[in-house]
Amino acid sequence: DTAVSQTPKYLVTQMGNDKSIKCEQNLGHDTMYWYKQDSKKFLKIMFSYNNKELIINETVPNRFSPKSPDKAHLNLHINSLELGDSAVYFCASSQQGNNEQFFGPGTRLTVL
Amino acid sequence: GNSVTQMEGPVTLSEEAFLTINCTYTATGYPSLFWYVQYPGEGLQLLLKATKADDKGSNKGFEATYRKETTSFHLEKGSVQVSDSAVYFCALSNSNSGYALNFGKGTSLLVTP
Repeated sequence: DTAVSQTPKYLVTQMGNDKSIKCEQNLGHDTMYWYKQDSKKFLKIMFSYNNKELIINETVPNRFSPKSPDKAHLNLHINSLELGDSAVYFCASSQQGNNEQFFGPGTRLTVL
Repeated sequence: GNSVTQMEGPVTLSEEAFLTINCTYTATGYPSLFWYVQYPGEGLQLLLKATKADDKGSNKGFEATYRKETTSFHLEKGSVQVSDSAVYFCALSNSNSGYALNFGKGTSLLVTP
């Protein structure tokens, strides 16, 4: 069983389009995260949700909107895609606190 | 704010060589410290962690000790294998970051036969 899953694994799209990435965890965790990994492999937190409530919202353009329908899911919707949005997006989950985060396999987004 | 600095790569070693990847951090209070590994084309896996000063995390022959006095968490392995080739990330979390991970820039390791 996959602990943290993301769909799709690859996403190629044109500038200006709107796209969504889905994330699901079956670990019973109460906190979920989105991280962005750029072309130089640098990883940065974007959002964090605890029990469906937003607790971290880093300096991310408001074209990015996370949505958590329940504790096991955290989706990422991106409007008006730009070239600079090309990256690998990782979802992760944990129990709240300084605990191990479990990462999904990543979604490689390419904006043309 | 929180920050993590780790040595720049890439690091190239021969099989069975000794590995050290340096990591230092800046944070308030007592963060938890982690090493994550990313194999080519894959997501991140936790390699080891330490949650308080002088703790030693270890896994798969890798070790790192939480040194509060030097704010460091250096990763070591006595004898690397070709299968250890990957990118290694040092990271910390604390209440200031909402327990999100603050990562270093990653160190790419290539082990040759």
